[in-house]
Amino acid sequence: KAGVTQTPRYLIKTRGQQVTLSCSPISGHRSVSWYQQTPGQGLQFLFEYFSETQRNKGNFPGRFSGRQFSNSRSEMNVSTLELGDSALYLCASRSTSGGPNEQFFGPGTRLTVL
Amino acid sequence: KNQVEQSPQSLIILEGKNCTLQCNYTVSPFSNLRWYKQDTGRGPVSLTIMTFSENTKSNGRYTATLDADTKQSSLHITASQLSDSASYICVVSASNSEKLTFGTGTRLTIIP
Repeated sequence: KAGVTQTPRYLIKTRGQQVTLSCSPISGHRSVSWYQQTPGQGLQFLFEYFSETQRNKGNFPGRFSGRQFSNSRSEMNVSTLELGDSALYLCASRSTSGGPNEQFFGPGTRLTVL
Repeated sequence: KNQVEQSPQSLIILEGKNCTLQCNYTVSPFSNLRWYKQDTGRGPVSLTIMTFSENTKSNGRYTATLDADTKQSSLHITASQLSDSASYICVVSASNSEKLTFGTGTRLTIIP
């Protein structure tokens, strides 16, 4: 079974631009979560999508948004980029069929804002 | 407020030696605790997941323990190898929420 994939792996943008990141979950997983990881803050939860609906949301400004498609693939968008948005953005998928559902992480997208 | 604290922040040990990483949490009500290994620039990979009733779980040279009474967990690495150099992240889940609480990780460096 293929793992979680994220594209692109690396991205360089300038302040004020917007960016879209993509995540394809493990086949059969309907839940997709997004995280921002910076050296000082560790992993910070952005949002979770399930069946095309946002189910949970972290404490990030409205510049951060996402969506999920009917095939469970998800995209994350950041508008009006700031220098502080430079980070590793991780996507994770999980099954929701009961038990302590493990999250499987993708390799991440490294975003650098200049 | 749900929190997960890990110690030490960083650790350097010689190849072949053992080490123990600590995780203390205040997440309540507790559901499960996971340890992840994250290589630099990559996504975290699960090592173990433990529920309330489990107090020890092994995955090769990695052994996790859980004391739900004191809200502490440890990850013991035996006979360390250079490939163990990574960040180790403790993640706790509450039973009344699907949100996860992440520790900031322990950066482990194995030197030859």
